[in-house]
Amino acid sequence: EAGVAQSPRYKIIEKRQSVAFWCNPISGHATLYWYQQILGQGPKLLIQFQNNGVVDDSQLPKDRFSAERLKGVDSTLKIQPAKLEDSAVYLCATSVRVANEQYFGPGTRLTVT
Amino acid sequence: GQQVMQIPQYQHVQEGEDFTTYCNSSTTLSNIQWYKQRPGGHPVFLIQLVKSGEVKKQKRLTFQFGEAKKNSSLHITATQTTDVGTYFCAASGGATNKLIFGTGTLLAVQP
Repeated sequence: EAGVAQSPRYKIIEKRQSVAFWCNPISGHATLYWYQQILGQGPKLLIQFQNNGVVDDSQLPKDRFSAERLKGVDSTLKIQPAKLEDSAVYLCATSVRVANEQYFGPGTRLTVT
Repeated sequence: GQQVMQIPQYQHVQEGEDFTTYCNSSTTLSNIQWYKQRPGGHPVFLIQLVKSGEVKKQKRLTFQFGEAKKNSSLHITATQTTDVGTYFCAASGGATNKLIFGTGTLLAVQP
């Protein structure tokens, strides 16, 4: 079974630029999560999708972050404009259903200079 | 809001010694999951606990869910260098069953 795919793996941008991350879930996994993990901290949930609907986006900074999951499969997370404090690893995870075990992708390491 | 704290933040042990990390929540939880993250890697699911007082074992790892469903522990017997990494508990509860990750415990094992 293929795992969760993410791209790019690394990205370096200047502040105020925009960036987008892509996630391809495990086939059949209805629930998809985007997490932000700052060095030395646990993953922090940004947004949770159930199929193509948003379940929870309470911690998503909506003035600069946006996410979508078209057709309930692939998902993209965008940051525009980026700030220095956005430097982190952005992890995508999927599960068969809510509250089940989550499978994480390798993450995208973002550096904002 | 719900918070999940883990102690200790960091533990350095000699290979062969035991290790325990504790996870505490301010609210009653519906379930606890444990993940391991190797340095430079991504979190990998270890186990899920759902019942009050539940104890599960995986080889040298023992996981326990508290009677009040507010705390959990992970115990590793006779650590090995392959156990190195950060161990996170992740707790869910409430209407959306959102998973809140703990602060993590970084385990270093000296051969």
